[in-house]
Parts: sequence; C-alpha cells; structure tokens
Amino acid sequence: DVKVTQSSRYLVKRTGEKVFLECVQDMDHENMFWYRQDPGLGLRLIYFSYDVKMKEKGDIPEGYSVSREKKERFSLILESASTNQTSMYLCASSRAGAGDTQYFGPGTRLTVL
Amino acid sequence: QKEVEQNSGPLSVPEGAIASLNCTYSDRGSQSFFWYRQYSGKSPELIMSIYSNGDKEDGRFTAQLNKASQYVSLLIRDSQPSDSATYLCAVRYGGATNKLIFGTGTLLAVQP
Repeated sequence: DVKVTQSSRYLVKRTGEKVFLECVQDMDHENMFWYRQDPGLGLRLIYFSYDVKMKEKGDIPEGYSVSREKKERFSLILESASTNQTSMYLCASSRAGAGDTQYFGPGTRLTVL
Repeated sequence: QKEVEQNSGPLSVPEGAIASLNCTYSDRGSQSFFWYRQYSGKSPELIMSIYSNGDKEDGRFTAQLNKASQYVSLLIRDSQPSDSATYLCAVRYGGATNKLIFGTGTLLAVQP
C-alpha cells in the first residue's frame, strides 16, 4: 500500500511565523504535490515537484515555497504566515506516468492566529 | 482557464437506490479522469479512474466517460449510508506532468 504521511495533523501558528509542513512518501514516487483545500473552493494546487530539486508553481504559489532535497520528502514553507493561509493542506504523490493516480496524505489543518 | 464543474449538492438518495454524480470539464485535450471520495475531516481516496470513452465498472461503482460531450459521471448502485461523503471529480490535462484539476465536489447523503 502506498503511504503518504504528513508531519502534523493540526498546527496553530501566529501571524508572521515561518511554518514548515513536511510530507514523506514510501513508494519511490517521482511526483509530489501540495494542495490547500478550502470550503467552496475545492482543492487548489500550490506547488508540485517532478524530481529531486525540481519544482513547478501551481495555481496559487504566492506566499509559499517548497523544498525537495530527497525523493521521498517534499516540504511546504510559509515564509511569513498570514491569517488567509488558514486552511487544510494536503500532500499527494504519484508515479511519473501519464494518468497515474495521486495518493493523498492525511492532511494538516493549519490555523494562523 | 481550465475548469472542472460539479453540482455541490447535497444529493440525497435513499438506501439501496442508485446515486448519479456528474462532472463536466472544459478542455477537450483532457486525457485521464478520476473520482475520489472524501469523508468529512479525511483526505481524498481514489475510487475509480477512467481513460477511454464508455463505462468502467468496479463493484457497485460505474464510471462513465463521454469525451465528445466533455462529461464524466459516477454511478453508485445499491447506495449505503457508508457512501455518504463528498465525491471529487479530477481531470488530468495534457502535457508531460501529472497535474490534476479538481472540481469542488458533490456531497452525497444516503438516507437509511
């Protein structure tokens, strides 16, 4: 079974703090993704990575950065957290093949006060 | 702007009935289509994928794809209360990467 884990289920931070969300997958997948999910807006892609040290912006990258130093690990960084970044953050991974399924981690509910 | 549209619901069906969930997409170049189920407070899990026109069946679930009309649907036969969840339609657009565009989901409520 594919397993995608995220470092925290719930996180509370203060405005202006630097926040790290970490995702690890154990299936040797090439692709990794970070989404945020908000009511009425659905899942929106923040960044994705198709190889170590390779990244590409998604639909809403502003205010976020990412790091992928190892194949199994993909980190999302909020350089200076703001209240509008309060959301559910979901990590996913997939093989590189066209149409391959994305598998999701359990999510991190981030609240920025 | 590439879009995936779903009726937000809630779609309410009695136990044992067929639930029909629909999704339309804007880009004719789309190649792969996925249905995910998401229980409240949980992450999405894949139910089915479909790549060719026609029907694909897996147990009580049938995915239907019509590329000419740009829609994909999910039928759930013999609906159970445990099927109550939000169903997300996802579409992979053309290109080398495996990016998906998600609809906002349809909330299904199966009444006992």
